[in-house]
Amino acid sequence: KQEVTQIPAALSVPEGENLVLNCSFTDSAIYNLQWFRQDPGKGLTSLLLIQSSQREQTSGRLNASLDKSSGRSTLYIAASQPGDSATYLCAVSTGANSKLTFGKGITLSVRP
Amino acid sequence: GAVVSQHPSWVICKSGTSVKIECRSLDFQATTMFWYRQFPKQSLMLMATSNEGSKATYEQGVEKDKFLINHASLTLSTLTVTSAHPEDSSFYICSVTIRDSNQPQHFGDGTRLSIL
Repeated sequence: KQEVTQIPAALSVPEGENLVLNCSFTDSAIYNLQWFRQDPGKGLTSLLLIQSSQREQTSGRLNASLDKSSGRSTLYIAASQPGDSATYLCAVSTGANSKLTFGKGITLSVRP
Repeated sequence: GAVVSQHPSWVICKSGTSVKIECRSLDFQATTMFWYRQFPKQSLMLMATSNEGSKATYEQGVEKDKFLINHASLTLSTLTVTSAHPEDSSFYICSVTIRDSNQPQHFGDGTRLSIL
């Protein structure tokens, strides 16, 4: 059974800091991995999708890497801003139309 | 713009009421729709997988007679929480996948259900 872990559960940093959010999964036989952002009481916004054959994806100040063999992914946020404050979820799937298995998320607070 | 419309966004009702949540894909055919549930400070957990024209597949521990799923068309799936109780209070969110596509799942904005 696939399990996705995100540690720590919460993180508080000053504005401008570069930071790394970690995600680990137990079964390396994944199809893809996604990072999502969730604001309080809201739905999910997809940030980055990494296919199993890829090593990383970038979008603006965000960079996600994937090491499938070790079961790890990181989300790098450069020059953090207060607007980046949210919960960041990592999720993996085993197929193109398969369910996602989510971690519990990391709640990020960026202090002005 | 949004590719998935979920309605309603917020429901408050009395215990014993049945509540229907709609998930609608906009501008594309959704092969499969997923229904997830999220309790406070917990992760999203899959409840069921809904395929158009067939019965939904429920995850272990999810009561199919309590959480009725109908996926009658390629653009609409509904989740009905029957005889809801306070313990059913949660955040329910749907996602859809596009037929024959490697695109990521698209999520609705979720429905916050509060049972008094």
